[in-house]
Amino acid sequence: DAGVIQSPRHEVTEMGQEVTLRCKPISGHDYLFWYRQTMMRGLELLIYFNNNVPIDDSGMPEDRFSAKMPNASFSTLKIQPSEPRDSAVYFCASSFGEDQPQHFGDGTRLSIL
Amino acid sequence: AQSVTQLDSHVSVSEGTPVLLRCNYSSSYSPSLFWYVQHPNKGLQLLLKYTSAATLVKGINGFEAEFKKSETSFHLTKPSAHMSDAAEYFCVVRGGATNKLIFGTGTLLAVQP
Repeated sequence: DAGVIQSPRHEVTEMGQEVTLRCKPISGHDYLFWYRQTMMRGLELLIYFNNNVPIDDSGMPEDRFSAKMPNASFSTLKIQPSEPRDSAVYFCASSFGEDQPQHFGDGTRLSIL
Repeated sequence: AQSVTQLDSHVSVSEGTPVLLRCNYSSSYSPSLFWYVQHPNKGLQLLLKYTSAATLVKGINGFEAEFKKSETSFHLTKPSAHMSDAAEYFCVVRGGATNKLIFGTGTLLAVQP
C-alpha cells in the first residue's frame, strides 16, 4: 500500500502565479478530500469528491481556488492567481466508503512570496 | 452542530510517564470520534476511532481512549510515553450526516528525556 501521494512536497512561487497541487489517492478509495492547514485556522476542509464527483466545495475560500478529479487515481487543486495569504500546508486524504477513516498524504507546503 | 475542544494546546511529560490528552465533544447524536497524530512535516495518521461499539478503544502504539457520554469526553491516554510520541495530536469528530471531519485545534506533546 503506497498511501496517498502528493506532489510537490514544497512549492515556492511569486504572487500572481498559478499553482497546481497534485494528489494520487489510495487505489480503490472512492472518497477524496483536500484540506488546508495554517497556524491561524488549523485544519480546514476545502472540498471533497465521491467517485470523482465534487460533493461539497463550501470550504473553497474563493473563486481563485478550483479542484478537479478527472479519474479515480488523480486529483488537482489549483490556485490562480496565487496570493501570499494562500501560504499553508495543503493535504489530500482518501477513504474507502463514507464511514471509514481517512488516510492522509504528507502534504504540500506552499509559500507564496 | 458537531465540535470538539482540546483542552490543552501543549502537554509536556517525561519519558516513561503516563500521557493524558484531553478532548471534549459536542454532538446532537451519537458521534464518531477519532484521534489522529501528526509528526513534523508529515500527514495525519489515524491512532484510533470510536464508532459506538466498545467505549474503551485501543489504538496503535499503545494509545487508547475512553468514550464517556456522561462527560462528553474522549480523552487519549498512554501508560508510558516514548520519545517517538512527541508530535501533535488532533481530536476529531465526524460531522453530522456527511463524511466531513471536524478537527480540534491540536495538542502538541513534548516528551522530555
